[in-house]
Amino acid sequence: SAVISQKPSRDICQRGTSLTIQCQVDSQVTMMFWYRQQPGQSLTLIATANQGSEATYESGFVIDKFPISRPNLTFSTLTVSNMSPEDSSIYLCSVVVGAAGQPQHFGDGTRLSIL
Amino acid sequence: GQQLNQSPQSMFIQEGEDVSMNCTSSSIFNTWLWYKQEPGEGPVLLIALYKAGELTSNGRLTAQFGITRKDSFLNISASIPSDVGIYFCAGQDTSSSGTYKYIFGTGTRLKVLA
Repeated sequence: SAVISQKPSRDICQRGTSLTIQCQVDSQVTMMFWYRQQPGQSLTLIATANQGSEATYESGFVIDKFPISRPNLTFSTLTVSNMSPEDSSIYLCSVVVGAAGQPQHFGDGTRLSIL
Repeated sequence: GQQLNQSPQSMFIQEGEDVSMNCTSSSIFNTWLWYKQEPGEGPVLLIALYKAGELTSNGRLTAQFGITRKDSFLNISASIPSDVGIYFCAGQDTSSSGTYKYIFGTGTRLKVLA
């Protein structure tokens, strides 16, 4: 499976600021996703990052709050905008390698705390 | 939206015991995945199931895709301390764009007592 690197691995931010998280994969992947995992909770899909076009957002998530880019088949960014303490979570990038329907694999996540 | 309920929510077991956990859905899925997440890490894929009734093993782990396609089971035999973690099931769904996505279960937290 692909090696997935997320940066930063953790950060502490002030409310009202924005942070961009990067996801870099060592090989071309079919699909890339961004998830949020709130403390002690399961994973919730934020959006599917589409290469060369706007991301597909899930219910409850909007582009103004979570802008996503995917300029090529190996890289994506998620920005958490105008942060509040409720945005304190782990943000995870996942990828699918190969044919559609294959399982997704995760990076180690970005642990974000907002003061 | 669809929900995946996992049970038990958490469990403490003695080293050497077998563990069983399950995942149930209100809807049919075509693919089931099982992941393990340890502190400070992302989920790691354990087993993937693609066909109703399928039974697949990975070492001491065995998972089954339920015949109704609305549930899946994960068993761990002869548990060891390093089995500690959170186990998530995930079912494949279709996203609003027509491609697929995965819905994650609520998780089972496993603690193994040496």
